Amino acid sequence: LAKTTQPISMDSYEGQEVNITCSHNNIATNDYITWYQQFPSQGPRFIIQGYKTKVTNEVASLFIPADRKSSTLSLPRVSLSDTAVYYCLVGYTDKLIFGTGTRLQVFP
Amino acid sequence: GAGVSQTPSNKVTEKGKYVELRCDPISGHTALYWYRQSLGQGPEFLIYFQGTGAADDSGLPNDRFFAVRPEGSVSTLKIQRTERGDSAVYLCASSSYWGGENNEQFFGPGTRLTVL
Repeated sequence: LAKTTQPISMDSYEGQEVNITCSHNNIATNDYITWYQQFPSQGPRFIIQGYKTKVTNEVASLFIPADRKSSTLSLPRVSLSDTAVYYCLVGYTDKLIFGTGTRLQVFP
Repeated sequence: GAGVSQTPSNKVTEKGKYVELRCDPISGHTALYWYRQSLGQGPEFLIYFQGTGAADDSGLPNDRFFAVRPEGSVSTLKIQRTERGDSAVYLCASSSYWGGENNEQFFGPGTRLTVL
């Protein structure tokens, strides 16, 4: 399973776009890239998943370059409620391998 | 429909005691997972069930930990002779199928275990 590296923390202000980049240099051919969000005292929640290029859903976009060695989660116009820990996961197995995640703090 | 539920929400026990943590997955989900999360860390995989059988128990830290899912729905995580290092939040997740693309796992709120 590929190891991921992401920033420990990020700060932003309401209304701004936030981009969180994850490095996964040894990603395998079959691996997907998935992002989860976790609020305090709650279990993680699925945000988005992709394999290559760009994926967009109602809450986020995921950008994956051609070499797939990194990926960027983009959150448009964040609000205070987006303050949470964001995890980047890479793999093609059943179990999820979480790192320490990126703690995003959104300020008013 | 209801999400994944876990009981109890909090459990305080003494070192050496036995505890059981329960997970009710989303109805119809065949895959069920247990994770453990320590403060400031991401969740750590413990065990995964596909139906009634444990498909992968490679994350269980030692033989004091055991989990069952006898009827392919509710699962119980059992910890014998608890130690202070077992204190953590135990998370359960379920998914409608296993592996690869779109394997979205739905997590419960967790059980916070404190071993005194």
